[in-house]
Formats: sequence, C-alpha cells, structure tokens
Amino acid sequence: NAGVTQTPKFRVLKTGQSMTLLCAQDMNHEYMYWYRQDPGMGLRLIHYSVGEGTTAKGEVPDGYNVSRLKKQNFLLGLESAAPSQTSVYFCASVWGGANTGELFFGEGSRLTVL
Amino acid sequence: AQKVTQAQTEISVVEKEDVTLDCVYETRDTTYYLFWYKQPPSGELVFLIRRNSFDEQNEISGRYSWNFQKSTSSFNFTITASQVVDSAVYFCALTIYNFNKFYFGSGTKLNVKP
Repeated sequence: NAGVTQTPKFRVLKTGQSMTLLCAQDMNHEYMYWYRQDPGMGLRLIHYSVGEGTTAKGEVPDGYNVSRLKKQNFLLGLESAAPSQTSVYFCASVWGGANTGELFFGEGSRLTVL
Repeated sequence: AQKVTQAQTEISVVEKEDVTLDCVYETRDTTYYLFWYKQPPSGELVFLIRRNSFDEQNEISGRYSWNFQKSTSSFNFTITASQVVDSAVYFCALTIYNFNKFYFGSGTKLNVKP
C-alpha cells in the first residue's frame, strides 16, 4: 500500500518555466490537498479538492493551478515559475472530510526556482 | 476564524530531559479536532495523535503524552526522557466538524542533544 505518492521529489526550474507536480493516492480518499512549507511559516494551503472534478482555493493560491480529473490524482501546476515559489510542496489526503480522520501526507517535493 | 499558535519556535534540550511543546488554538465551534504531527530531518510528516473536542482526557503513549485543556484552548505535547531521535519539527493542527480545511501552526523545532 503506497499511500500518497508525489512526483517528482526534486526539481530545479528557471524563472518563467512551467511544471506539474503529481499527487497520487491509493486509499480511495475523497479529499486532497496541496500545501507548501517554508521556513518558519508552517504548512500553508494552496488548493484543495473535495472530490473528483472539484477544486477550491486555499490561503496562498496565486501562481498555481490544480486539477482533479481522477479521484486518485491531484495535480499542481505552475504556469510561470517565480523564485518565490521555491519551497517544499506536500500533498495530503483524507477519507471523507476534515473530521473523518487524519491527513495522510506524501513525502514532499522540493522545488527550486532560479 | 480558526487559528493555531505554536509560540515556541525552537527548543533545545539534553537527552533524558522532559520537554513540553505548547499549542494554543482558536475556534468558535464546539466540535473540532486537534492533531499533532512530527517532521523528522528526513522531511516526511508523521501523524502522532488526533483528539476531538469532547474528549478532554489526557493521553499517554509511551514517552509521549498530550494535555488537552478546553479552558485554556491548549493542546500541549510532552515528551518524557527525550531522546536524540525525538529531534524534529512538531506541528499542531486544527479542523472543525464538517469543514474542509486543516489549520497548522508554524511548528516547533526540537533539538535533543546527546
């Protein structure tokens, strides 16, 4: 049972390049989340999804887009990367909503934008 | 609005000392859930505990214990006889019933020195 898998684990981009982070979960969870972690700022929610075909903005959505075409996958896209998007990105999922259990996290994806 | 405050940015102790990590939360809802996660130097986020607002009993798991006090809106975490392997960043988090988001504190970095 893989749980939550993020790809890639590491990536270096130049300013203005685009990329997509893939999150896949095999637990049949309805809710999925993308967070970014920066030193001293904890985990900040970028976007989340409460089911296939639905997405919503979190607290720091600017510069990112997401899609949830399949229940098991949640994609995070950067259309034009900026140095401010250098961060560690975590995907997480939970079964049926925030009150149904704990978040399961992926291992993180470290992105550097030069 | 919901908020989690972890006022201790970094704590250093010597092995075998006891240490308490503070977590103060804010919510107007009566039904909510509190969590603690551990992030060791390897970077993954490890779930430690989930507690609902109706259960104020303290919990002990080995060297770990949690003190939940609704009167002070606190959910503190104590490690007894700390070990070097306890060195990590610890996050406290909050969600409310039937809600979609988890709110994380900024984390407390614990350094346990041999």
